[in-house]
Amino acid sequence: GQQVMQIPQYQHVQEGEDFTTYCNSSTTLSNIQWYKQRPGGHPVFLIQLVKSGEVKKQKRLTFQFGEAKKNSSLHITATQTTDVGTYFCAGRDSNYQLIWGAGTKLIIKP
Amino acid sequence: DGGITQSPKYLFRKEGQNVTLSCEQNLNHDAMYWYRQDPGQGLRLIYYSQIVNDFQKGDIAEGYSVSREKKESFPLTVTSAQKNPTAFYLCASSMRDSAAYGYTFGSGTRLTVV
Repeated sequence: GQQVMQIPQYQHVQEGEDFTTYCNSSTTLSNIQWYKQRPGGHPVFLIQLVKSGEVKKQKRLTFQFGEAKKNSSLHITATQTTDVGTYFCAGRDSNYQLIWGAGTKLIIKP
Repeated sequence: DGGITQSPKYLFRKEGQNVTLSCEQNLNHDAMYWYRQDPGQGLRLIYYSQIVNDFQKGDIAEGYSVSREKKESFPLTVTSAQKNPTAFYLCASSMRDSAAYGYTFGSGTRLTVV
Protein backbone atom coordinates (compact mmCIF):
# COMPACT_ATOMS: atom_id res chain seq x y z
CA GLY A 1 0.00 0.00 0.00
CA GLN A 2 0.87 3.65 -0.11
CA GLN A 3 3.54 4.69 2.36
CA VAL A 4 4.97 7.89 3.74
CA MET A 5 8.63 7.45 4.58
CA GLN A 6 9.94 9.61 7.40
CA ILE A 7 13.63 10.10 8.24
CA PRO A 8 15.62 10.02 10.37
CA GLN A 9 14.18 7.66 12.97
CA TYR A 10 16.11 9.44 15.73
CA GLN A 11 18.03 12.68 15.96
CA HIS A 12 20.25 13.56 18.89
CA VAL A 13 21.04 17.26 19.21
CA GLN A 14 22.63 19.55 21.73
CA GLU A 15 20.22 22.08 23.14
CA GLY A 16 20.39 25.12 20.89
CA GLU A 17 21.16 23.13 17.73
CA ASP A 18 18.70 22.79 14.87
CA PHE A 19 16.56 19.75 14.07
CA THR A 20 15.00 18.62 10.80
CA THR A 21 12.75 15.72 9.86
CA TYR A 22 11.73 14.77 6.34
CA CYS A 23 8.76 12.94 4.86
CA ASN A 24 8.51 11.47 1.38
CA SER A 25 5.58 9.89 -0.42
CA SER A 26 5.65 7.87 -3.62
CA THR A 27 2.40 9.49 -4.72
CA THR A 28 0.95 12.98 -4.65
CA LEU A 29 -0.71 13.97 -1.40
CA SER A 30 -3.82 16.13 -0.99
CA ASN A 31 -2.30 17.68 2.11
CA ILE A 32 0.11 16.85 4.89
CA GLN A 33 -0.29 17.24 8.62
CA TRP A 34 2.31 17.35 11.38
CA TYR A 35 1.87 16.12 14.94
CA LYS A 36 4.03 16.11 18.06
CA GLN A 37 3.92 13.35 20.67
CA ARG A 38 5.66 14.03 23.97
CA PRO A 39 7.16 11.00 25.79
CA GLY A 40 4.32 9.03 27.35
CA GLY A 41 1.74 11.29 25.72
CA HIS A 42 -0.54 11.37 22.73
CA PRO A 43 -0.10 13.05 19.34
CA VAL A 44 -1.04 16.70 19.19
CA PHE A 45 -1.90 18.36 15.89
CA LEU A 46 0.57 21.08 14.93
CA ILE A 47 -0.30 22.21 11.42
CA GLN A 48 -1.64 21.29 8.00
CA LEU A 49 -0.10 22.20 4.66
CA VAL A 50 -2.25 22.11 1.55
CA LYS A 51 -0.69 24.11 -1.26
CA SER A 52 2.24 23.16 -3.46
CA GLY A 53 5.41 24.83 -2.17
CA GLU A 54 3.69 26.07 0.96
CA VAL A 55 5.82 27.25 3.88
CA LYS A 56 4.37 27.96 7.32
CA LYS A 57 6.07 29.06 10.50
CA GLN A 58 5.16 28.64 14.14
CA LYS A 59 7.76 30.49 16.24
CA ARG A 60 10.90 28.35 15.88
CA LEU A 61 9.18 25.68 13.74
CA THR A 62 9.17 25.91 9.94
CA PHE A 63 7.03 23.54 7.88
CA GLN A 64 7.41 23.05 4.14
CA PHE A 65 5.38 21.19 1.52
CA GLY A 66 7.18 20.29 -1.68
CA GLU A 67 6.32 21.63 -5.11
CA ALA A 68 5.17 18.19 -6.27
CA LYS A 69 3.22 17.65 -3.02
CA LYS A 70 5.16 14.45 -2.40
CA ASN A 71 7.51 15.59 0.34
CA SER A 72 7.52 17.75 3.41
CA SER A 73 9.87 18.84 6.15
CA LEU A 74 9.78 20.23 9.66
CA HIS A 75 12.70 22.33 10.84
CA ILE A 76 13.18 23.48 14.41
CA THR A 77 15.64 26.29 15.03
CA ALA A 78 17.62 26.40 18.28
CA THR A 79 16.02 23.41 19.99
CA GLN A 80 14.89 23.64 23.59
CA THR A 81 14.13 20.91 26.12
CA THR A 82 10.44 21.52 25.56
CA ASP A 83 10.86 20.34 21.95
CA VAL A 84 11.67 16.78 23.04
CA GLY A 85 9.29 14.19 21.63
CA THR A 86 8.42 12.38 18.44
CA TYR A 87 7.31 14.31 15.40
CA PHE A 88 4.99 12.59 12.93
CA CYS A 89 3.93 13.58 9.47
CA ALA A 90 0.65 12.27 8.08
CA GLY A 91 -0.21 12.66 4.42
CA ARG A 92 -3.70 12.49 3.04
CA ASP A 93 -3.97 10.49 -0.15
CA SER A 94 -6.46 10.76 -3.00
CA ASN A 95 -8.95 8.61 -1.09
CA TYR A 96 -8.75 11.02 1.89
CA GLN A 97 -7.04 8.36 3.98
CA LEU A 98 -4.37 9.61 6.37
CA ILE A 99 -1.07 7.81 5.86
CA TRP A 100 1.29 8.18 8.82
CA GLY A 101 5.05 8.37 8.80
CA ALA A 102 6.91 6.32 11.43
CA GLY A 103 8.01 9.46 13.28
CA THR A 104 11.32 11.11 14.15
CA LYS A 105 12.32 11.15 17.79
CA LEU A 106 14.07 14.32 18.92
CA ILE A 107 16.49 13.66 21.76
CA ILE A 108 18.39 16.43 23.54
CA LYS A 109 21.87 15.35 24.58
CA PRO A 110 22.59 15.92 28.28
CA ASP B 1 -13.53 21.90 28.15
CA GLY B 2 -14.13 19.86 25.05
CA GLY B 3 -12.02 16.84 24.35
CA ILE B 4 -11.71 13.10 24.04
CA THR B 5 -11.73 10.85 27.07
CA GLN B 6 -10.26 7.38 26.92
CA SER B 7 -10.59 4.91 29.75
CA PRO B 8 -9.03 3.14 31.41
CA LYS B 9 -5.53 4.59 31.16
CA TYR B 10 -3.94 1.21 31.93
CA LEU B 11 -5.55 -2.19 31.35
CA PHE B 12 -4.29 -5.67 32.05
CA ARG B 13 -5.86 -8.61 30.32
CA LYS B 14 -5.45 -12.31 30.65
CA GLU B 15 -4.95 -14.31 27.50
CA GLY B 16 -8.24 -15.46 26.04
CA GLN B 17 -10.28 -12.56 27.43
CA ASN B 18 -12.07 -9.87 25.49
CA VAL B 19 -11.67 -6.31 26.72
CA THR B 20 -13.41 -3.09 25.73
CA LEU B 21 -11.68 0.28 25.58
CA SER B 22 -13.84 3.33 26.00
CA CYS B 23 -13.64 6.49 23.88
CA GLU B 24 -15.98 9.44 24.40
CA GLN B 25 -15.80 12.88 22.78
CA ASN B 26 -17.76 16.07 23.40
CA LEU B 27 -16.36 17.99 20.45
CA ASN B 28 -19.36 17.27 18.22
CA HIS B 29 -16.95 15.66 15.76
CA ASP B 30 -18.41 13.46 13.06
CA ALA B 31 -15.47 11.14 12.47
CA MET B 32 -13.74 8.92 15.02
CA TYR B 33 -10.75 6.62 14.73
CA TRP B 34 -8.86 3.92 16.60
CA TYR B 35 -5.13 3.57 16.23
CA ARG B 36 -2.61 1.16 17.64
CA GLN B 37 0.92 2.28 18.49
CA ASP B 38 3.73 -0.14 19.31
CA PRO B 39 6.93 1.03 21.03
CA GLY B 40 9.06 3.19 18.78
CA GLN B 41 6.64 2.90 15.90
CA GLY B 42 4.06 4.99 14.13
CA LEU B 43 0.30 4.78 14.22
CA ARG B 44 -1.64 2.00 12.54
CA LEU B 45 -5.35 2.41 11.83
CA ILE B 46 -7.65 -0.23 13.30
CA TYR B 47 -11.15 1.09 12.56
CA TYR B 48 -12.76 4.39 11.71
CA SER B 49 -16.27 5.78 11.60
CA GLN B 50 -17.53 8.80 9.72
CA ILE B 51 -21.15 8.69 10.90
CA VAL B 52 -23.27 6.98 13.51
CA ASN B 53 -24.04 3.33 12.86
CA ASP B 54 -21.35 3.06 10.21
CA PHE B 55 -17.69 2.12 10.46
CA GLN B 56 -14.91 0.86 8.24
CA LYS B 57 -11.96 -1.46 8.73
CA GLY B 58 -8.52 0.05 8.79
CA ASP B 59 -5.20 -1.62 8.03
CA ILE B 60 -5.14 -3.95 11.07
CA ALA B 61 -8.79 -4.69 11.94
CA GLU B 62 -8.38 -8.43 12.52
CA GLY B 63 -9.04 -9.35 16.14
CA TYR B 64 -10.83 -6.08 16.91
CA SER B 65 -14.44 -4.91 16.80
CA VAL B 66 -16.15 -1.54 17.22
CA SER B 67 -19.57 0.04 17.42
CA ARG B 68 -20.84 3.57 16.80
CA GLU B 69 -24.31 3.76 18.32
CA LYS B 70 -23.88 7.39 19.40
CA LYS B 71 -21.99 10.26 17.84
CA GLU B 72 -20.05 10.79 21.06
CA SER B 73 -18.91 7.22 21.63
CA PHE B 74 -16.72 4.77 19.72
CA PRO B 75 -15.72 1.81 21.93
CA LEU B 76 -13.12 -0.71 20.78
CA THR B 77 -13.21 -4.37 21.77
CA VAL B 78 -9.97 -6.29 21.66
CA THR B 79 -11.00 -9.91 21.22
CA SER B 80 -9.17 -13.08 22.09
CA ALA B 81 -8.53 -13.50 18.37
CA GLN B 82 -6.01 -10.66 18.47
CA LYS B 83 -2.72 -12.52 18.78
CA ASN B 84 -0.53 -9.72 20.06
CA PRO B 85 -2.74 -7.15 21.76
CA THR B 86 -0.17 -5.55 24.06
CA ALA B 87 0.11 -1.98 22.75
CA PHE B 88 -0.83 1.65 23.25
CA TYR B 89 -4.32 2.35 21.85
CA LEU B 90 -5.24 5.84 20.75
CA CYS B 91 -8.68 7.16 19.89
CA ALA B 92 -9.03 10.26 17.73
CA SER B 93 -11.76 12.39 16.25
CA SER B 94 -12.07 15.03 13.58
CA MET B 95 -14.67 17.50 12.42
CA ARG B 96 -15.35 15.39 9.37
CA ASP B 97 -13.36 13.00 7.30
CA SER B 98 -12.27 15.56 4.77
CA ALA B 99 -9.08 17.27 3.82
CA ALA B 100 -9.51 20.24 6.08
CA TYR B 101 -9.10 19.13 9.67
CA GLY B 102 -6.47 17.76 11.98
CA TYR B 103 -7.22 14.99 14.42
CA THR B 104 -7.76 15.42 18.15
CA PHE B 105 -6.42 12.49 20.16
CA GLY B 106 -7.36 11.09 23.54
CA SER B 107 -4.67 10.35 26.10
CA GLY B 108 -4.65 6.65 25.21
CA THR B 109 -5.03 3.27 26.88
CA ARG B 110 -2.01 1.05 27.52
CA LEU B 111 -3.11 -2.57 27.25
CA THR B 112 -0.93 -5.35 28.59
CA VAL B 113 -1.65 -9.05 28.25
CA VAL B 114 -0.53 -10.98 31.32
